[in-house]
Amino acid sequence: DTGVSQNPRHKITKRGQNVTFRCDPISEHNRLYWYRQTLGQGPEFLTYFQNEAQLEKSRLLSDRFSAERPKGSFSTLEIQRTEQGDSAMYLCASSLDSAINGYTFGSGTRLTVV
Amino acid sequence: GENVEQHPSTLSVQEGDSAVIKCTYSDSASNYFPWYKQELGKGPQLIIDIRSNVGEKKDQRIAVTLNKTAKHFSLHITETQPEDSAVYFCAGTMNTGFQKLVFGTGTRLLVSP
Repeated sequence: DTGVSQNPRHKITKRGQNVTFRCDPISEHNRLYWYRQTLGQGPEFLTYFQNEAQLEKSRLLSDRFSAERPKGSFSTLEIQRTEQGDSAMYLCASSLDSAINGYTFGSGTRLTVV
Repeated sequence: GENVEQHPSTLSVQEGDSAVIKCTYSDSASNYFPWYKQELGKGPQLIIDIRSNVGEKKDQRIAVTLNKTAKHFSLHITETQPEDSAVYFCAGTMNTGFQKLVFGTGTRLLVSP
């Protein structure tokens, strides 16, 4: 296990379609985060899991977005009825459940909605 | 909530020169400040971090300083090399049980040979 793995790396979809992204965190990390990054900006927090429990959601995560982490292992982020404004890099990160640790980010999934 | 401002947005230096990137934060309760390096097509990579009980931390050519009173922190890269060229992000967070990082807008560093 060499890091956080995200699939697919790139996704082009038509407006209105649903898309799902997958994140496989570092195996011993029980915290998992999703961030969104638009061009020229820093990553923005979307949601956080501790094991299988989704404990925090940003206001950025509209009703069209849903994230799951069954069994506390991999996570999926689904966007329903995609809009052009959803075009961004979706980043997953993981960390250990200790006082303060740095995140390890994956390489992201770049979504383009046409 | 926390707000992190970062400058400059772009920084061009000659190989061997030093580079300094500065960030300010708004929430005095923030106590953890990581720096990330992001190369094209990759996710951010943690390069150094500092906690609020420390004023300075150094790791080889990279150092970070923190001024809690002024609520600003800086990244210093000495003896820059072309492979240091990337986008650098600062971030801040409170230790509230989980880390919700608030990122700056990034600095594009270009090191010319």
